[in-house]
Amino acid sequence: EAGVAQSPRYKIIEKRQSVAFWCNPISGHATLYWYQQILGQGPKLLIQFQNNGVVDDSQLPKDRFSAERLKGVDSTLKIQPAKLEDSAVYLCASSLLASSYEQYFGPGTRLTVT
Amino acid sequence: QKEVEQNSGPLSVPEGAIASLNCTYSDRGSQSFFWYRQYSGKSPELIMSIYSNGDKEDGRFTAQLNKASQYVSLLIRDSQPSDSATYLCAGGAMNRDDKIIFGKGTRLHILP
Repeated sequence: EAGVAQSPRYKIIEKRQSVAFWCNPISGHATLYWYQQILGQGPKLLIQFQNNGVVDDSQLPKDRFSAERLKGVDSTLKIQPAKLEDSAVYLCASSLLASSYEQYFGPGTRLTVT
Repeated sequence: QKEVEQNSGPLSVPEGAIASLNCTYSDRGSQSFFWYRQYSGKSPELIMSIYSNGDKEDGRFTAQLNKASQYVSLLIRDSQPSDSATYLCAGGAMNRDDKIIFGKGTRLHILP
């Protein structure tokens, strides 16, 4: 069974530029999550989708971050404009059912904002 | 605010000994708990899940849950150098509208 796929793996941009990340969850997984993990901290949930509907985006900085999940499968996360404090690893995860079930993470995208 | 607390470590354990990792949570409504292992530069990998009070064993790993004390632990028997990693504890309620809360993780170092 293929795991969660993410791209790109690494990205370096200057502040005020925009960036987009892509995620393809495990086939059949209804729930998809985007997390931000800053070095030395645990993952922080940015947004959670159940199929193509948003379940939780309470910690998503909506003035600069946006996310969508097309047709309930792939998802993109965008940052525009980026700030220095957005430097982090962006993790995508999926689970078969709702949020309190086992989540499987992709390899992550390491973003550096200079 | 719901929180999951872990000692950041590092926790140093001799090879072959038992490593004990602990976690407390603030939300009494939490019913599902997970332990993830994260190697440096890698993404978290699920190693154990536990939903009811008591112990759950899987190979060298044992997860323990005490809902009355709001306490979760992970025991690693016969620790190996390959167990050196950060261990993340996570918990949440068992409904679709609740999100999992992750702790900051405990760094474990197995001494050869």
